[in-house]
Amino acid sequence: QQQVKQSPQSLIVQKGGISIINCAYENTAFDYFPWYQQFPGKGPALLIAIRPDVSEKKEGRFTISFNKSAKQFSLHIMDSQPGDSATYFCAASIVGGLTFGKGTHLIIQP
Amino acid sequence: KAGVTQTPRYLIKTRGQQVTLSCSPISGHRSVSWYQQTPGQGLQFLFEYFSETQRNKGNFPGRFSGRQFSNSRSEMNVSTLELGDSALYLCASSLGQGKPYEQYFGPGTRLTVT
Repeated sequence: QQQVKQSPQSLIVQKGGISIINCAYENTAFDYFPWYQQFPGKGPALLIAIRPDVSEKKEGRFTISFNKSAKQFSLHIMDSQPGDSATYFCAASIVGGLTFGKGTHLIIQP
Repeated sequence: KAGVTQTPRYLIKTRGQQVTLSCSPISGHRSVSWYQQTPGQGLQFLFEYFSETQRNKGNFPGRFSGRQFSNSRSEMNVSTLELGDSALYLCASSLGQGKPYEQYFGPGTRLTVT
């Protein structure tokens, strides 16, 4: 049973555009929702995270939107740059281990 | 501050053998979690150790085990290796208390089972 569903699997965005990745979760006990960025040959890097008592969190060009009633959250990358090309993972946690989505392969075209 | 380090970075083993992977967390972090990453299954949680005790466990067979030392360094062991164990094994460290969820990953150990 996949507890965190992520879409799309792959995404191509033009430089300067907005990249949007969506995730949906099933377990209402989850109380922490991070996003990770992974480049080839590297481990995932923590990008931004949110708790369910907040509907939006912004850090630089990255924004998480959270909809608790719909059990959905999304990552928005504003002014997308070629250096943002990577695989992005959403995740959810109660205590301890993270449950990850399957990942989105993002390509920013110059 | 140095990041999470994992050794070795690459490993090739034969079916039936066992393997031990090592992880050194960020200084001051007391929690270490292990994950398996494969193209098919994605990132899956194996287990978490905090203060030398296993605190959480994922849904993996008993062939996968771990331990944590008093200096918070952790090892993961896989016995009787199978071809399907070929994966990138990632270790993540966190404070373990207060903000226990901010996990920082190491570069991983690429295990190939032949």
